[in-house]
Amino acid sequence: EPEVTQTPSHQVTQMGQEVILRCVPISNHLYFYWYRQILGQKVEFLVSFYNNEISEKSEIFDDQFSVERPDGSNFTLKIRSTKLEDSAMYFCASRRTFMNTEAFFGQGTRLTVV
Amino acid sequence: DAKTTQPNSMESNEEEPVHLPCNHSTISGTDYIHWYRQLPSQGPEYVIHGLTSNVNNRMASLAIAEDRKSSTLILHRATLRDAAVYYCILMANQAGTALIFGKGTTLSVSS
Repeated sequence: EPEVTQTPSHQVTQMGQEVILRCVPISNHLYFYWYRQILGQKVEFLVSFYNNEISEKSEIFDDQFSVERPDGSNFTLKIRSTKLEDSAMYFCASRRTFMNTEAFFGQGTRLTVV
Repeated sequence: DAKTTQPNSMESNEEEPVHLPCNHSTISGTDYIHWYRQLPSQGPEYVIHGLTSNVNNRMASLAIAEDRKSSTLILHRATLRDAAVYYCILMANQAGTALIFGKGTTLSVSS
């Protein structure tokens, strides 16, 4: 069964450093998403991406965040200058279309900012 | 965004059916009702979705009220592996629309 792959599974970074979280969505999917989940809290939407541009973003997705699809397979989330409160699980998801389809989620990257 | 209301938690015994309710009184005519679950330490996982008619798949059944203001996810025989947080989410059939998660229902399953 096709799956969304995220790397790394766990990343530790120093406050103020830049991090890039990587995702390989399912190959024929066109819609891509990033979510985060702070420990013990609910899954929060960050951004959706289609046709090489952001479709929708939440208030959390400020200027510190950016997304990119640098090639035909990867989808990345960059945090420019990490803060302690960015520590969370980050999930990537993809959908084939927006019409009546399910989203597939990766297993997540645990980001720890120290 | 249309919102959903779910109980915070429910308990079940193994091999018994489980009915997880969801209220969505402000649902619009084009909103799909999606259910996802999140097992411990894993990413969310699709369970089932529907628009108006009841739906069945290998994981569960979805019963949708005639007025669409509520729905019920039915797990026919709960297993220990079904212990998870279950999310009922309304999703507009529009490009770019994202799943917005609430707090969901934490289902505990006892042997």
